[in-house]
Order: sequence, then C-alpha cells, then structure tokens
Amino acid sequence: SQKIEQNSEALNIQEGKTATLTCNYTNYSPAYLQWYRQDPGRGPVFLLLIRENEKEKRKERLKVTFDTTLKQSLFHITASQPADSATYLCALGDTGNNRKLIWGLGTSLAVNP
Amino acid sequence: NAGVTQTPKFQVLKTGQSMTLQCAQDMNHNSMYWYRQDPGMGLRLIYYSASEGTTDKGEVPNGYNVSRLNKREFSLRLESAAPSQTSVYFCASRADGGSYGYTFGSGTRLTVV
Repeated sequence: SQKIEQNSEALNIQEGKTATLTCNYTNYSPAYLQWYRQDPGRGPVFLLLIRENEKEKRKERLKVTFDTTLKQSLFHITASQPADSATYLCALGDTGNNRKLIWGLGTSLAVNP
Repeated sequence: NAGVTQTPKFQVLKTGQSMTLQCAQDMNHNSMYWYRQDPGMGLRLIYYSASEGTTDKGEVPNGYNVSRLNKREFSLRLESAAPSQTSVYFCASRADGGSYGYTFGSGTRLTVV
C-alpha cells in the first residue's frame, strides 16, 4: 500500500541554524508533493508545491527538493527562528486523482533561542 | 479576507446524537473537502466535492453525510454520533489547476461521549 514517512521524532535545533525535514514515500509515483505547516489547534497552512519534474523550489527562507529516484523530499528552513516552531506535513498527489492527497503524519520542529 | 470558516469550534455530543458541521469559503473555489485528524493517523479524507452539485466519498466516509449547498458552503453531518467519531475535523478548499495547495479552516474539535 502507499505509504509516507516523515521523521517521527521531534527535531530540535538552535536559532539561526538550518532545519532539514525528510519525507519518504513508497509504492507511489506522485505528480507533485506539497508541504504544510500546522500550529497547535490550527489547520494546516500551505507552504510549497513541487512537481515531479522539478528538482528544487525556493520561497524566501524555505527550500524543497524532490528526488523521484530516491522517493524522497527534503524541506529546509534556513536561518531558523523560534517562530518557525511547528509541525510540518508533507502530502503527495497525482494529476489523475489529486483530490485524494496522501498525507504524512508530520514532523515537529522546535527552534530554540 | 476570511478564507475558510468552520463552525462550531468545539462540540460535545452524546452517543446517538446528530449534528452538522458547517463550512464556508469566500475564495470562489470549486473544490472543497472534509478531513478528520487523529493522533497517529494523520489527515484522512471523509468526503470531497469537486464542484457545486457533486460529492464523492473519501477514505473514511462511513457514518457521515455531506451537502454541497452552493459554491461557498459544504456541510458535514453526523446522523448518529459514535465515540469513534471523536476527532478534529477540518474543512478545506482548493483553486482549480495543479499549482495550488489547500486552504484549511481552523477546525472543529468534536468529542462524543
């Protein structure tokens, strides 16, 4: 069955460092991958979308890579700040049935001042 | 700029009671979704609506019904609540085209006792 794995353990980093979160998947060939941020008690907030034919995408301090050979996406936050502390979710979709995203469980990130 | 609005934010039901969760979006999106989020299970799709007048089952539709009242509103109904339906429910919408992420509401925390 289709499966997404994200770092199950919380990630703790020092302010100013780069946070790197991983999203691995199996038994799936997604057309695109999305990253979301979720704060406690709130709904997920869309951050970035990267397509299967794109290797890398950037938005301000965020960078996403997508390696369809390794079946992996890396999500980087450079110059991290305490305000970046949240849970980050990855989700996969395909062009044929993109109403049904497959979601990871998320990785909790804590940026310490 | 409200985005996706969900009501109520919190609800406690007794087993067997019914209720309707309301969702409205003001972004003129065709696609709308209902998800539930449970610890260790991630986001699971209950129902979705690709356009006004159409609805389709998602991954976990049993025990739920939906109504796409118009383009703005998509409601979720629990006819006879069960403790297994204790969860956080999120409504989301998405613009057409392959470059857009989902916009989520702030969620409804439902407890069935």
